[in-house]
Amino acid sequence: SQQGEEDPQALSIQEGENATMNCSYKTSINNLQWYRQNSGRGLVHLILIRSNEREKHSGRLRVTLDTSKKSSSLLITASRAADTASYFCATVRGTGGFKTIFGAGTRLFVKA
Amino acid sequence: DVKVTQSSRYLVKRTGEKVFLECVQDMDHENMFWYRQDPGLGLRLIYFSYDVKMKEKGDIPEGYSVSREKKERFSLILESASTNQTSMYLCASSLSWRGLNQPQHFGDGTRLSIL
Repeated sequence: SQQGEEDPQALSIQEGENATMNCSYKTSINNLQWYRQNSGRGLVHLILIRSNEREKHSGRLRVTLDTSKKSSSLLITASRAADTASYFCATVRGTGGFKTIFGAGTRLFVKA
Repeated sequence: DVKVTQSSRYLVKRTGEKVFLECVQDMDHENMFWYRQDPGLGLRLIYFSYDVKMKEKGDIPEGYSVSREKKERFSLILESASTNQTSMYLCASSLSWRGLNQPQHFGDGTRLSIL
């Protein structure tokens, strides 16, 4: 079954606006990661948040994690056309986990 | 920077052929992974390896096998290619730290078409 599920499936915004993507998961996790994928390319790791953290920042990215609701959100502030990509959340289950489970992704389109 | 290199960006093969997809990483990572990516389904794990000659089945191993003879190289083999294996294949590697999986580094993918 799908561990991470992103919402919305697609998002279209104007340059300069903020973009928020959500991720829900089903089982307990060790950490949650967000990745970006440009069209026709591999995934690029953006940020990792551990299960004992609630919020993390990296440049224009802000990630929150609510383990009680089994959900996470990725906020991209002051979006740019170059942020146009698909964004995936990924979860690693429990301890000693090697299997990272990816969601189906949110497609973000930033209009210039 | 970590570099994960997949041998082909595009590949066209025929039904029934044995297909080899190669992946090489240059950062001495313990873990390597093969995924397939299909529209609406996200990434699905086919196989992974946490050490040389070690392999573990992922969620969809049927019709595939893997080989890891050297730490830097992880090969995916389609034993007898079928049209439902047409997909984008992504290889990734990661470092193990205290036994826990670290962020994965991906290659650019191989878009495989089986005719």
